[in-house]
Amino acid sequence: AQSVSQHNHHVILSEAASLELGCNYSYGGTVNLFWYVQYPGQHLQLLLKYFSGDPLVKGIKGFEAEFIKSKFSFNLRKPSVQWSDTAEYFCAVNSYSGGGADGLTFGKGTHLIIQP
Amino acid sequence: EAGVTQFPSHSVIEKGQTVTLRCDPISGHDNLYWYRRVMGKEIKFLLHFVKESKQDESGMPNNRFLAERTGGTYSTLKVQPAELEDSGVYFCASSQDAGRNYGYTFGSGTRLTVV
Repeated sequence: AQSVSQHNHHVILSEAASLELGCNYSYGGTVNLFWYVQYPGQHLQLLLKYFSGDPLVKGIKGFEAEFIKSKFSFNLRKPSVQWSDTAEYFCAVNSYSGGGADGLTFGKGTHLIIQP
Repeated sequence: EAGVTQFPSHSVIEKGQTVTLRCDPISGHDNLYWYRRVMGKEIKFLLHFVKESKQDESGMPNNRFLAERTGGTYSTLKVQPAELEDSGVYFCASSQDAGRNYGYTFGSGTRLTVV
């Protein structure tokens, strides 16, 4: 069975600091990788996804993530965070078996708090 | 386009009662998923519909949970009888291609509290 591990449960940063949230997954086959964000009181929104091609993926709001296959990692980065980035961030993976994709497997989430 | 709609947004019921959650996917999305997040835990997959058929229900916790998608449009998730451990946030997601190219769109979730 696949699993997703997010390294930090809570992260507190000051505005303009750089951000990196770690994500590792365990699965030996073909996977798609996702980062979702949930702002306070809102629904899960897709930040970015990796399906194939360039392992450096750029998403919305200045976020990017790099897929390193040898390390089974998909870390999320942002060079300079803003107060509005305060949210919970989820790494997720799905895999393909037979003709269809399985449902998403999520990490436990990282609460990010940006202090003004 | 309209997003994935879930209702109610909140539900508080007593142990032993029945609750039905509803999800309206994005129009034209054949794939519909249910997930659940229990407090302090990760979001867990419950099941996957393709149109009206259950493609994968391996995540359903037990037979107190019944999901339906009659006609391949909206879906309901019924919990009967509800237990305290069923409390959590239930998310629905839809996808036009089972996540192959376009990913998944999530609803706002239903927060279920069983007291």
